[in-house]
Amino acid sequence: DADVTQTPRNRITKTGKRIMLECSQTKGHDRMYWYRQDPGLGLRLIYYSFDVKDINKGEISDGYSVSRQAQAKFSLSLESAIPNQTALYFCATSDTTGNYGYTFGSGTRLTVV
Amino acid sequence: GNSVTQMEGPVTLSEEAFLTINCTYTATGYPSLFWYVQYPGEGLQLLLKATKADDKGSNKGFEATYRKETTSFHLEKGSVQVSDSAVYFCALSDIGGFKTIFGAGTRLFVKA
Repeated sequence: DADVTQTPRNRITKTGKRIMLECSQTKGHDRMYWYRQDPGLGLRLIYYSFDVKDINKGEISDGYSVSRQAQAKFSLSLESAIPNQTALYFCATSDTTGNYGYTFGSGTRLTVV
Repeated sequence: GNSVTQMEGPVTLSEEAFLTINCTYTATGYPSLFWYVQYPGEGLQLLLKATKADDKGSNKGFEATYRKETTSFHLEKGSVQVSDSAVYFCALSDIGGFKTIFGAGTRLFVKA
């Protein structure tokens, strides 16, 4: 099994719909992250969580919310999807030192029509 | 604030050519530096890292040296293969790993 699992892998949804992207990890790490990837823009941080009771906004949190259900689970929600949220979404996890880099999931390709 | 700038792509090389992808950064203190690789349809994978000045990270024939005097962490490989075709991201993590910033990515195409 992958260290970080994201579901679904692909999703097409309509404008105004609520959608949840799920992420689970088996690394035993406390820290988890949600990033968005757009062509030419690299990765931009949406939300991050350093433990179950800690949730923080990233640079582009508007229009998104998250839930940290357990150490291993961190979900991202779009309350009312809009077309400019069409992107590739990645979940990642890291240890508490930051010195060993991130482990990423395979991504969710979301299309909002 | 901290930032990472890497060369724009795409970079197109023939097999066995020498590769350099430039990465420079601005940061306060002593960040950790990383290179990640993203193959088509996959997530990012950590390629190599360096946590202090003059450290050299290496993996799979790729190398990068943490140069504090030039604030650079250029990625190099002596002889690229078709299988190295991917997008490469330079990244910087502050002390304690509280924030990681990624460059925009550089796409590499290697022709047989």
